[in-house]
Amino acid sequence: DAKTTQPPSMDCAEGRAANLPCNHSTISGNEYVYWYRQIHSQGPQYIIHGLKNNETNEMASLIITEDRKSSTLILPHATLRDTAVYYCIVYSYSGYSTLTFGKGTMLLVSP
Amino acid sequence: EAQVTQNPRYLITVTGKKLTVTCSQNMNHEYMSWYRQDPGLGLRQIYYSMNVEVTDKGDVPEGYKVSRKEKRNFPLILESPSPNQTSLYFCASRDTGGAGGYTFGSGTRLTVV
Repeated sequence: DAKTTQPPSMDCAEGRAANLPCNHSTISGNEYVYWYRQIHSQGPQYIIHGLKNNETNEMASLIITEDRKSSTLILPHATLRDTAVYYCIVYSYSGYSTLTFGKGTMLLVSP
Repeated sequence: EAQVTQNPRYLITVTGKKLTVTCSQNMNHEYMSWYRQDPGLGLRQIYYSMNVEVTDKGDVPEGYKVSRKEKRNFPLILESPSPNQTSLYFCASRDTGGAGGYTFGSGTRLTVV
């Protein structure tokens, strides 16, 4: 069963902010929201994660709604190198949970 | 540099010839995992290991074996490869002590003819 829903593709102009949405309406209380990206055939790269508060790091910002049913990954100034498939994943990091990838969003950043 | 190293990066082999893809991490992570990626099917977990000598099946374990004799190494073994195991393989590791993300290797592209 899909635990997250993401648009299959999005476009963004270089230098603009890219806002990637994710719906996770069945998220449980101990599950975090994780974002990864995969640049063509490379290994997936961890971007950011959060539980209920908004988070920011050097790569991106993560905005989680108060009811935790959806979130948005923000790349503040997208570059051509940000063209990739972005995966939103919810899981509990403790012990025996495994990382299950959906289809993700293909973000194309254009000049 | 903290990393997960897979070898080889590319491999072409023949049906039935045993092969091993190696995976090593230098971050002292307890958790390691193998994934395969196929067009239209995405990333699927093959096997995972919570720690030394502890391994378990993922979603698509048929035709694969793993071992975890040392914390840093988690080799993927194909005893008798078949063409349907042609795929892009990724190894990943994670520290189970916190909520940090997984670190993935660069991938191994395997072709079985």
